[in-house]
Amino acid sequence: EAQVTQNPRYLITVTGKKLTVTCSQNMNHEYMSWYRQDPGLGLRQIYYSMNVEVTDKGDVPEGYKVSRKEKRNFPLILESPSPNQTSLYFCASSLVGSHEQYFGPGTRLTVT
Amino acid sequence: GENVEQHPSTLSVQEGDSAVIKCTYSDSASNYFPWYKQELGKGPQLIIDIRSNVGEKKDQRIAVTLNKTAKHFSLHITETQPEDSAVYFCASGNTPLVFGKGTRLSVIA
Repeated sequence: EAQVTQNPRYLITVTGKKLTVTCSQNMNHEYMSWYRQDPGLGLRQIYYSMNVEVTDKGDVPEGYKVSRKEKRNFPLILESPSPNQTSLYFCASSLVGSHEQYFGPGTRLTVT
Repeated sequence: GENVEQHPSTLSVQEGDSAVIKCTYSDSASNYFPWYKQELGKGPQLIIDIRSNVGEKKDQRIAVTLNKTAKHFSLHITETQPEDSAVYFCASGNTPLVFGKGTRLSVIA
C-alpha cells in the first residue's frame, strides 16, 4: 500500500530534550516536506526537500533541522524543543512536477 | 512569496444544501490550485485540483472554479452529506505549495 508513515504518532517531552520524528514514504517520491498545523494558522511549511541531499527552508524553519540521506526518509529533528513547538506535525511527499502531495497521519507533539 | 487567503474559517450547512469556500492568491505566476480535505485525526487528502489553463473542474458533487484575472478560486460542494464534515484547505503555487488557513465545514443532519 502506497503511504507516508510517521513515528511516533504522539509524543510528550520536556523543554530541551532532543527528539526526532521520522517520516518514510514507499512511493519513490523525490519531494518531501514537513508542516506544522496550529489552530487558526493552517498548515505552515517547516522544511522541504526536492531530492536526496537537497533541503530548503520553508516558512517556519527556526528551531528545526532535517536531513535527506535516503530518498524514502526525511526525519525532522528538534535539537532543543521549546513549548512553542507544541503542535501537530505532518510529513508529505510527492513526485516533482506532480504537485499532488500525500500526507502522513500526523505526529502530535507536546513540549512541557 | 505567495500568500493565500481562505474564507470562511467556519461554515455550517444543512444536509442537502450547498457549501462554497473561497480562496484568493497573490502570485500571478501560480498555476496549480488544489483542495485538500482533512478528516478528524487524519492527514489532509487531495480531493480536487485545477490548473490555470481551465476555468472549472467537476468531480461528482464537488467542483472548483478559477478566475485567474481576479486571482481567486472556489470549492463548491453540492448536496452536502454528514461525511463532508471536515476541514478543507486550499493551496496555491508550484513547489512548494502555500496553504490557506483552512475552513471547518459542519454538515448538520
